[in-house]
Amino acid sequence: EAGVTQSPTHLIKTRGQQATLRCSPISGHTSVYWYQQALGLGLQFLLWYDEGEERNRGNFPPRFSGRQFPNYSSELNVNALELEDSALYLCAGRWGDYNSPLHFGNGTRLTVT
Amino acid sequence: DQQVKQNSPSLSVQEGRISILNCDYTNSMFDYFLWYKKYPAEGPTFLISISSIKDKNEDGRFTVFLNKSAKHLSLHIVPSQPGDSAVYFCAATVNNAGNMLTFGGGTRLMVKP
Repeated sequence: EAGVTQSPTHLIKTRGQQATLRCSPISGHTSVYWYQQALGLGLQFLLWYDEGEERNRGNFPPRFSGRQFPNYSSELNVNALELEDSALYLCAGRWGDYNSPLHFGNGTRLTVT
Repeated sequence: DQQVKQNSPSLSVQEGRISILNCDYTNSMFDYFLWYKKYPAEGPTFLISISSIKDKNEDGRFTVFLNKSAKHLSLHIVPSQPGDSAVYFCAATVNNAGNMLTFGGGTRLMVKP
């Protein structure tokens, strides 16, 4: 069974631009979680989508948004990029029910110059 | 407000010895705890978890201990191997809360041959 896949692997943008990051969750599973790992920091919860709906969001400004498609893949959009948005963005899904651990993709490294 | 803290940013251990990684939390609502391991350029990989109804969970060389009164958990790796060298994150969640994880800042473990 395929795991969580993310694209692109690396993304370089300039300040003020928009970035779009993509995630395909574990086949057949409906939830997608987005996390940000800034340099030297732990993982910060960004967004949770389930069945096409945004279920919760972390403490991030509205420039961070996303959506989930009918096939349960997801996009994370970051508008008006700032230098501090440079980070590893990780997408995660679950193998089983709500009690099962999250499984992460390898992330997209976003660099804002 | 960091609800999950890993106060040691790094730990160096000799191969064959025990590695002990520590984690503290402040939110008494947390009732499910997980450890993840992360290699460079990869997403975090689930290692082991523990429910708050237990005080110990063991899986091969990995054991997690939970002290609820102290709001403290630890991960023991015995014996440590060079391949264990990675960044270790502890995470916590409120069970059935959509599996949104709150992560600590990570501890970099270096196991020397």
